[in-house]
Amino acid sequence: NAGVTQTPKFRVLKTGQSMTLLCAQDMNHEYMYWYRQDPGMGLRLIHYSVGEGTTAKGEVPDGYNVSRLKKQNFLLGLESAAPSQTSVYFCATADRYNEQFFGPGTRLTVL
Amino acid sequence: KQEVTQIPAALSVPEGENLVLNCSFTDSAIYNLQWFRQDPGKGLTSLLLIQSSQREQTSGRLNASLDKSSGRSTLYIAASQPGDSATYLCAVSNAGNNRKLIWGLGTSLAVNP
Repeated sequence: NAGVTQTPKFRVLKTGQSMTLLCAQDMNHEYMYWYRQDPGMGLRLIHYSVGEGTTAKGEVPDGYNVSRLKKQNFLLGLESAAPSQTSVYFCATADRYNEQFFGPGTRLTVL
Repeated sequence: KQEVTQIPAALSVPEGENLVLNCSFTDSAIYNLQWFRQDPGKGLTSLLLIQSSQREQTSGRLNASLDKSSGRSTLYIAASQPGDSATYLCAVSNAGNNRKLIWGLGTSLAVNP
């Protein structure tokens, strides 16, 4: 029972490059979230999903896209990376009581 | 607009001390409140979840209380240990949109041997 996993753990990109972060869960939760965490700013919600095939914008969605083609996977895409997107990215799922469970994070640096 | 504040931002205590971490929120119409722990370079671990109808939750040496009318929650840690050193985060979900969390910035706790 792996819980919530994230791939990759670390990545360095050059400005303008694209990449996709993968979140996978085996908890059978409907709700999934992508956050970014920056020093002094706390956790900010990028996008979230209330079920397979659905996505919605969070607090800071610009520059990111997401897809939830399968219930167990939630993908976060950066089409043209910018230095401002240097951050630690966390994926989370939520059960029916809205208790959230987090992955280990992806540390992304954009040069 | 709901805002969550955690004071103090940092706390250093000697091992064995009982301590209280504070979380305050501006809108009392919450759905639930969660306390998380984050170790350096790691993800977040859920510690306690308190529904709006509950007054407190306990897990081992941890006890979280909720007072909606005053907009406050406290996390009590008994007999602190060096392994408790971490950042503790509080988050609330609103009654009107209970699937999004509003986060505090956390309290960084150091328990010294």
